[in-house]
Amino acid sequence: SYELTQPPSVSVSPGQTARITCSGDALPKQYAYWYQQKPGQAPVLVIYKDSERPSGIPERFSGSSSGTTVTLTISGVQAEDEADYYCQSADSSGTYSWVFGGGTKLTVL
Amino acid sequence: EVQLLESGGGLVQPGGSLRLSCAASGFTFSSYAMSWVRQAPGKGLEWVSAISGSGGSTYYADSVKGRFTISRDNSKNTLYLQMNSLRAEDTAVYYCAKAEDVLVEGAYYYYMDVWGKGTTVTVSS
Repeated sequence: SYELTQPPSVSVSPGQTARITCSGDALPKQYAYWYQQKPGQAPVLVIYKDSERPSGIPERFSGSSSGTTVTLTISGVQAEDEADYYCQSADSSGTYSWVFGGGTKLTVL
Repeated sequence: EVQLLESGGGLVQPGGSLRLSCAASGFTFSSYAMSWVRQAPGKGLEWVSAISGSGGSTYYADSVKGRFTISRDNSKNTLYLQMNSLRAEDTAVYYCAKAEDVLVEGAYYYYMDVWGKGTTVTVSS
């Protein structure tokens, strides 16, 4: 089955830049999406179609894609950005299944 | 404002059944695909099932195929997930999500742009 791979954790100090990667063989053909989930809350979409930002999401959140890896970048990290972040994409094999990465815990030191 | 409110979770014995509901408001329900995503305690997100706006197309994760059935009643703006033959590993918070579709190489794929707060399903004897 198709898998997306994320690092389990990333730590940054306030004001620094956090980069969270997500790797998958189908990413050159499929868009990636990023969700933020804070403890006890539902996920929130922060990036769609690799690099588009939904309305209401701060400009410090951005996304990029290169080959089989997509990256969520948070510039000028704030304490409120501490959360779990999940990438999501689809299997291009025609099986119509949607896959999440294992999630990355972002810690703001 | 788009709102999604799940209900129907609870404690059920292994092998039992449960039906989840998701009441939608704030958007034209029949125009959008919908999806269920679950999260086991302390674990990551797992996509479970999706359904097109008309209800004519349904999709399932291999882990639930043949046991779960997704459906919708567009006259009631409500999404359902019928869960049969439940197992301990189905224990999770189940989220309902509104889906946007994206055309990629001639096929439509979904992503979840708005999520409900979730309902908890516990499968245990």
